Amino acid sequence: DAMVIQNPRYQVTQFGKPVTLSCSQTLNHNVMYWYQQKSSQAPKLLFHYYDKDFNNEADTPDNFQSRRPNTSFCFLDIRSPGLGDAAMYLCATSRVGRGSPLHFGNGTRLTVT
Amino acid sequence: GENVEQHPSTLSVQEGDSAVIKCTYSDSASNYFPWYKQELGKRPQLIIDIRSNVGEKKDQRIAVTLNKTAKHFSLHITETQPEDSAVYFCAASKVTSYDKVIFGPGTSLSVIP
Repeated sequence: DAMVIQNPRYQVTQFGKPVTLSCSQTLNHNVMYWYQQKSSQAPKLLFHYYDKDFNNEADTPDNFQSRRPNTSFCFLDIRSPGLGDAAMYLCATSRVGRGSPLHFGNGTRLTVT
Repeated sequence: GENVEQHPSTLSVQEGDSAVIKCTYSDSASNYFPWYKQELGKRPQLIIDIRSNVGEKKDQRIAVTLNKTAKHFSLHITETQPEDSAVYFCAASKVTSYDKVIFGPGTSLSVIP
Protein backbone atom coordinates (compact mmCIF):
# COMPACT_ATOMS: atom_id res chain seq x y z
CA ASP A 1 0.00 0.00 0.00
CA ALA A 2 1.16 3.50 -0.78
CA MET A 3 1.96 5.30 2.41
CA VAL A 4 3.99 7.74 4.45
CA ILE A 5 6.51 6.10 6.75
CA GLN A 6 8.27 7.79 9.64
CA ASN A 7 11.20 6.43 11.55
CA PRO A 8 11.70 5.98 14.37
CA ARG A 9 8.29 5.93 16.12
CA TYR A 10 9.94 6.97 19.38
CA GLN A 11 13.15 8.90 19.74
CA VAL A 12 14.91 9.87 22.93
CA THR A 13 17.73 12.37 22.79
CA GLN A 14 19.70 14.34 25.29
CA PHE A 15 19.48 18.08 25.73
CA GLY A 16 21.66 19.65 23.04
CA LYS A 17 22.41 16.40 21.19
CA PRO A 18 21.56 16.61 17.47
CA VAL A 19 18.82 14.32 16.23
CA THR A 20 17.43 13.47 12.80
CA LEU A 21 13.95 12.24 12.05
CA SER A 22 13.16 10.62 8.73
CA CYS A 23 10.15 10.35 6.47
CA SER A 24 9.60 8.44 3.26
CA GLN A 25 6.63 8.21 0.92
CA THR A 26 5.50 5.90 -1.83
CA LEU A 27 2.64 8.16 -2.95
CA ASN A 28 4.80 10.18 -5.35
CA HIS A 29 3.34 13.38 -3.92
CA ASN A 30 5.11 16.58 -4.80
CA VAL A 31 4.67 18.30 -1.45
CA MET A 32 6.12 17.10 1.84
CA TYR A 33 5.51 18.78 5.18
CA TRP A 34 6.87 18.64 8.68
CA TYR A 35 4.51 19.45 11.52
CA GLN A 36 5.18 19.71 15.22
CA GLN A 37 2.33 18.73 17.50
CA LYS A 38 2.28 19.22 21.24
CA SER A 39 -0.29 17.79 23.56
CA SER A 40 -3.86 19.00 22.95
CA GLN A 41 -2.79 21.37 20.18
CA ALA A 42 -3.23 21.50 16.43
CA PRO A 43 -0.31 20.45 14.24
CA LYS A 44 2.01 23.40 13.72
CA LEU A 45 3.68 23.66 10.34
CA LEU A 46 7.47 23.92 10.56
CA PHE A 47 8.33 23.84 6.85
CA HIS A 48 7.45 22.18 3.61
CA TYR A 49 8.88 21.30 0.23
CA TYR A 50 7.03 21.87 -3.01
CA ASP A 51 9.15 19.60 -5.19
CA LYS A 52 12.64 20.93 -4.42
CA ASP A 53 11.52 24.36 -3.29
CA PHE A 54 11.96 24.77 0.45
CA ASN A 55 9.50 26.91 2.39
CA ASN A 56 10.26 27.86 5.96
CA GLU A 57 7.59 29.18 8.31
CA ALA A 58 8.53 32.55 9.75
CA ASP A 59 8.31 31.33 13.34
CA THR A 60 10.20 28.07 12.90
CA PRO A 61 13.30 28.22 15.10
CA ASP A 62 16.70 28.18 13.41
CA ASN A 63 17.40 25.06 15.45
CA PHE A 64 15.22 23.15 12.99
CA GLN A 65 16.48 22.26 9.53
CA SER A 66 15.19 20.04 6.78
CA ARG A 67 16.52 18.15 3.79
CA ARG A 68 14.74 16.56 0.86
CA PRO A 69 17.34 14.65 -1.17
CA ASN A 70 14.74 13.21 -3.55
CA THR A 71 10.98 12.97 -4.08
CA SER A 72 10.57 10.07 -1.67
CA PHE A 73 12.55 11.17 1.35
CA CYS A 74 12.55 14.09 3.73
CA PHE A 75 14.52 14.63 6.93
CA LEU A 76 14.05 16.85 9.95
CA ASP A 77 17.23 17.82 11.75
CA ILE A 78 17.12 19.35 15.20
CA ARG A 79 20.57 20.73 15.81
CA SER A 80 20.42 21.36 19.54
CA PRO A 81 17.21 19.99 21.05
CA GLY A 82 15.82 21.76 24.07
CA LEU A 83 13.24 20.51 26.53
CA GLY A 84 10.63 22.58 24.70
CA ASP A 85 11.21 20.60 21.52
CA ALA A 86 9.72 17.45 23.02
CA ALA A 87 6.68 16.77 20.87
CA MET A 88 5.17 14.55 18.21
CA TYR A 89 6.65 15.29 14.80
CA LEU A 90 4.37 14.50 11.90
CA CYS A 91 5.41 14.18 8.29
CA ALA A 92 2.71 14.61 5.68
CA THR A 93 2.43 14.66 1.91
CA SER A 94 -0.03 16.03 -0.62
CA ARG A 95 -0.39 16.48 -4.34
CA VAL A 96 -0.96 20.05 -5.43
CA GLY A 97 -3.70 20.73 -7.93
CA ARG A 98 -5.97 17.78 -7.20
CA GLY A 99 -7.42 18.81 -3.88
CA SER A 100 -5.42 16.06 -2.33
CA PRO A 101 -5.75 15.96 1.44
CA LEU A 102 -2.75 15.58 3.67
CA HIS A 103 -1.53 12.03 4.14
CA PHE A 104 0.18 11.77 7.51
CA GLY A 105 2.78 9.35 8.71
CA ASN A 106 2.40 7.77 12.14
CA GLY A 107 4.68 10.37 13.63
CA THR A 108 7.84 10.31 15.73
CA ARG A 109 7.47 11.12 19.40
CA LEU A 110 10.56 12.94 20.53
CA THR A 111 11.61 12.97 24.17
CA VAL A 112 14.41 15.26 25.33
CA THR A 113 16.14 14.32 28.57
CA GLY B 1 -2.72 34.81 5.46
CA GLU B 2 -5.45 32.36 6.26
CA ASN B 3 -6.77 32.06 9.82
CA VAL B 4 -9.11 29.27 10.90
CA GLU B 5 -11.15 29.40 14.07
CA GLN B 6 -12.98 26.42 15.52
CA HIS B 7 -15.68 26.02 18.16
CA PRO B 8 -16.28 24.53 20.61
CA SER B 9 -12.91 23.47 21.96
CA THR B 10 -14.50 20.62 23.90
CA LEU B 11 -17.80 18.85 23.34
CA SER B 12 -19.49 16.09 25.29
CA VAL B 13 -22.54 14.30 23.95
CA GLN B 14 -24.52 11.26 24.93
CA GLU B 15 -24.20 8.23 22.71
CA GLY B 16 -26.77 8.43 19.93
CA ASP B 17 -27.00 12.22 19.99
CA SER B 18 -25.66 14.49 17.28
CA ALA B 19 -22.48 16.56 17.47
CA VAL B 20 -21.79 19.77 15.55
CA ILE B 21 -18.42 21.49 15.22
CA LYS B 22 -18.13 24.87 13.55
CA CYS B 23 -15.23 26.58 11.80
CA THR B 24 -14.69 29.96 10.22
CA TYR B 25 -11.97 31.01 7.82
CA SER B 26 -10.64 34.38 6.79
CA ASP B 27 -9.24 33.98 3.26
CA SER B 28 -12.04 34.13 0.70
CA ALA B 29 -9.73 32.45 -1.84
CA SER B 30 -9.65 29.22 0.19
CA ASN B 31 -11.66 26.58 -1.62
CA TYR B 32 -10.87 23.25 -0.01
CA PHE B 33 -11.97 22.33 3.52
CA PRO B 34 -10.96 18.97 4.95
CA TRP B 35 -11.77 17.56 8.38
CA TYR B 36 -9.33 15.36 10.25
CA LYS B 37 -9.95 13.02 13.17
CA GLN B 38 -7.12 12.29 15.55
CA GLU B 39 -7.45 9.57 18.14
CA LEU B 40 -5.17 9.63 21.15
CA GLY B 41 -1.60 8.82 20.19
CA LYS B 42 -2.43 8.39 16.51
CA ARG B 43 -1.98 10.42 13.36
CA PRO B 44 -4.68 12.74 12.01
CA GLN B 45 -6.80 11.04 9.39
CA LEU B 46 -9.11 12.59 6.83
CA ILE B 47 -12.76 11.83 7.51
CA ILE B 48 -14.47 14.10 4.99
CA ASP B 49 -13.71 17.09 2.82
CA ILE B 50 -15.63 19.64 0.78
CA ARG B 51 -14.79 22.01 -2.04
CA SER B 52 -16.22 25.46 -2.43
CA ASN B 53 -18.39 24.53 -5.40
CA VAL B 54 -20.48 22.30 -3.13
CA GLY B 55 -22.70 23.36 -0.24
CA GLU B 56 -23.03 20.03 1.52
CA LYS B 57 -21.48 16.59 1.48
CA LYS B 58 -22.48 13.44 3.35
CA ASP B 59 -20.78 10.18 4.12
CA GLN B 60 -22.91 7.86 6.23
CA ARG B 61 -23.16 9.48 9.69
CA ILE B 62 -20.88 12.38 8.83
CA ALA B 63 -21.79 15.50 6.90
CA VAL B 64 -20.11 18.80 6.20
CA THR B 65 -21.83 22.04 5.21
CA LEU B 66 -20.19 25.12 3.72
CA ASN B 67 -21.39 28.71 3.60
CA LYS B 68 -19.00 30.59 1.31
CA THR B 69 -20.65 33.93 1.84
CA ALA B 70 -20.26 33.76 5.59
CA LYS B 71 -16.95 31.90 5.32
CA HIS B 72 -17.88 29.15 7.69
CA PHE B 73 -18.22 25.40 7.51
CA SER B 74 -19.47 22.79 9.93
CA LEU B 75 -19.06 19.12 10.70
CA HIS B 76 -22.14 17.16 11.70
CA ILE B 77 -21.95 13.70 13.24
CA THR B 78 -25.24 11.92 13.78
CA GLU B 79 -25.96 8.89 15.97
CA THR B 80 -22.66 9.32 17.77
CA GLN B 81 -20.83 6.28 19.05
CA PRO B 82 -18.07 5.96 21.67
CA GLU B 83 -15.54 5.35 18.89
CA ASP B 84 -16.27 8.85 17.59
CA SER B 85 -14.45 10.19 20.66
CA ALA B 86 -11.35 11.98 19.37
CA VAL B 87 -9.97 15.39 18.53
CA TYR B 88 -11.35 16.85 15.31
CA PHE B 89 -9.49 19.46 13.28
CA CYS B 90 -10.95 21.53 10.49
CA ALA B 91 -8.63 23.01 7.88
CA ALA B 92 -8.63 25.35 4.91
CA SER B 93 -6.47 25.56 1.81
CA LYS B 94 -6.60 26.06 -1.95
CA VAL B 95 -7.02 23.29 -4.46
CA THR B 96 -5.57 24.60 -7.68
CA SER B 97 -2.53 26.42 -6.47
CA TYR B 98 0.10 25.61 -3.95
CA ASP B 99 -0.83 26.76 -0.48
CA LYS B 100 -0.17 25.44 2.96
CA VAL B 101 -2.95 23.83 4.95
CA ILE B 102 -4.08 25.86 7.93
CA PHE B 103 -5.61 23.93 10.82
CA GLY B 104 -8.17 25.09 13.30
CA PRO B 105 -7.24 24.64 16.97
CA GLY B 106 -9.26 21.44 17.32
CA THR B 107 -12.34 20.15 19.15
CA SER B 108 -12.10 17.36 21.69
CA LEU B 109 -15.26 15.28 21.34
CA SER B 110 -16.29 12.87 24.06
CA VAL B 111 -19.18 10.50 23.44
CA ILE B 112 -20.58 9.22 26.72
CA PRO B 113 -21.96 5.67 26.57
